[in-house]
Amino acid sequence: GAVVSQHPSWVICKSGTSVKIECRSLDFQATTMFWYRQFPKQSLMLMATSNEGSKATYEQGVEKDKFLINHASLTLSTLTVTSAHPEDSSFYICSARHGGTGGENEQFFGPGTRLTVL
Amino acid sequence: DQQVKQNSPSLSVQEGRISILNCDYTNSMFDYFLWYKKYPAEGPTFLISISSIKDKNEDGRFTVFLNKSAKHLSLHIVPSQPGDSAVYFCAAVFGNEKLTFGTGTRLTIIP
Repeated sequence: GAVVSQHPSWVICKSGTSVKIECRSLDFQATTMFWYRQFPKQSLMLMATSNEGSKATYEQGVEKDKFLINHASLTLSTLTVTSAHPEDSSFYICSARHGGTGGENEQFFGPGTRLTVL
Repeated sequence: DQQVKQNSPSLSVQEGRISILNCDYTNSMFDYFLWYKKYPAEGPTFLISISSIKDKNEDGRFTVFLNKSAKHLSLHIVPSQPGDSAVYFCAAVFGNEKLTFGTGTRLTIIP
């Protein structure tokens, strides 16, 4: 099956610093990548959708200047949490989707990144 | 507005018995439905999916049933195994749009 990796798997940072999380599709080209945030005991919340070579589309309520997303290639998307604060502490998960046709819409998820802001 | 709902936050099933996880949706435009399994501190793993033109899809121990008139789908796992203990998310999509996830059901298989 398709493999999506994330790096780092966990990160601890001080309040006010910026953190970059990478999402890579290892064995397929992902024209679309998604970034999710999971709060404890809650569902996955979609933060933004990024298409290779274009600006990300952010969901309502998500600050685009705080959560910078770059999808520079068909295999790499990055999420940068700028000026992180303790309330940004969460589990961030990316997913990637093939760009092909066929009617299937499975997204392949990365293993997630645990961010803790002190 | 929660378009995809999983009304049972948790479910416990004896090992070897059938686990039935339920999911309801409100948007009749959804044309593809998926189930994901998630262990703590890991990303979701795709399990099984079904197109809206079908009412059943089976893959090994996993079967998904879709009742379009009731806007309801269910995931059956039989026989249930301890390794099936996880959180299960149903998701729905229309065309090439984003996935809409339910809130998840924590399944615990009792040995």
